[in-house]
Amino acid sequence: ETGVTQTPRHLVMGMTNKKSLKCEQHLGHNAMYWYKQSAKKPLELMFVYSLEERVENNSVPSRFSPECPNSSHLFLHLHTLQPEDSALYLCASSQDVSAEAYNEQFFGPGTRLTVL
Amino acid sequence: GQNIDQPTEMTATEGAIVQINCTYQTSGFNGLFWYQQHAGEAPTFLSYNVLDGLEEKGRFSSFLSRSKGYSYLLLKELQMKDSASYLCAVSDSNYQLIWGAGTKLIIKP
Repeated sequence: ETGVTQTPRHLVMGMTNKKSLKCEQHLGHNAMYWYKQSAKKPLELMFVYSLEERVENNSVPSRFSPECPNSSHLFLHLHTLQPEDSALYLCASSQDVSAEAYNEQFFGPGTRLTVL
Repeated sequence: GQNIDQPTEMTATEGAIVQINCTYQTSGFNGLFWYQQHAGEAPTFLSYNVLDGLEEKGRFSSFLSRSKGYSYLLLKELQMKDSASYLCAVSDSNYQLIWGAGTKLIIKP
């Protein structure tokens, strides 16, 4: 079974729509992350959760709203997005957020989002 | 500011060797990661270096020089399936990963 799953894999939405991205990890990890990946740009960290509490919010616009109901599930709620928000949204998990130098992150396949 | 630099694209021949370089400037250092990402797929872990020197893992090796802020990923006996993007990432003083934009590696027969 794949360690980190994401749904949907592809999403097309208008600027007035409301949609949600879902991520689930089956690795027993305590930390989960949302990243935005745009073409030829570095991965942009959006949100970090540790044991269901948000520990990092990198100045992300309020039209992106994360939710972490438990340590296995992470959502990203989207509303009134802009065309420049079109990108690949990746979810990742790791054993912990910090405390150890080695902190490998395991990624899901991503959701390819297109905003019209 | 924090910065990771790596070449945008490289081309190599099947069976050959290629070296992908990564230089970094970060606030603190807690290790450097290399990830592989095939088009349309998730990044997958390749290697981790925290001490200076070379780490070898099969056809792939990764080198680190902390004093120079420099790493490279060495791929030997290239195969067509190695065509992918290779992402360099540094764990900073807060253990957050700072990512490079990735190097797209194209393998030609």
